[in-house]
Amino acid sequence: GAVVSQHPSRVICKSGTSVKIECRSLDFQATTMFWYRQFPKKSLMLMATSNEGSKATYEQGVEKDKFLINHASLTLSTLTVTSAHPEDSSFYICSASVLPGTSGSYEQFFGPGTRLTVL
Amino acid sequence: AQSVTQLDSQVPVFEEAPVELRCNYSSSVSVYLFWYVQYPNQGLQLLLKYLSGSTLVKGINGFEAEFNKSQTSFHLRKPSVHISDTAEYFCAVSFSGGYNKLIFGAGTRLAVHP
Repeated sequence: GAVVSQHPSRVICKSGTSVKIECRSLDFQATTMFWYRQFPKKSLMLMATSNEGSKATYEQGVEKDKFLINHASLTLSTLTVTSAHPEDSSFYICSASVLPGTSGSYEQFFGPGTRLTVL
Repeated sequence: AQSVTQLDSQVPVFEEAPVELRCNYSSSVSVYLFWYVQYPNQGLQLLLKYLSGSTLVKGINGFEAEFNKSQTSFHLRKPSVHISDTAEYFCAVSFSGGYNKLIFGAGTRLAVHP
């Protein structure tokens, strides 16, 4: 099956620093990658959609200057939380999708998530 | 606009009992439907999906779901649950022309008790 990895799995940082999270598709080329944020006991909130080689599309209310997304290749996307603050503490999950066959559906494969704690 | 409603935030059930987790959606276009499971501090694992064809979909771990277009529902069922099924379950929908964005329901916490 399609495997997506995230690194790191956990990160603790001081307020004001920047943190980079990597999302990799290990055994397939992903045309699109997605970044989600999940608050405790809550559902996933889509932050942005990124396609290789182009700018990410951010959802309403997500600060693009704070959450920088780079999709440099078909197997790697990065999310950088700039000038992190305690309210940025959350569980960040990425997913990757591929072009479908004839179904028209783009299935997403999820990474294991990254727990960010900002002190 | 598309939306997904999971009617139950928590479902407690005894081991070996049957369970149904409810999911309803709203959309004016064709949809694709998914159920994911999330164990603590982990990402999401696909249980099953409906893309087209037979409305009864069988997934992993003994789960199945039935797509009901007239009732706009996609309820998840399992005839006999195990302790290990305790987890958070998310229903999600993507829609034709929606450029593969997933819209998630709020989630249902399934708690299986001995």
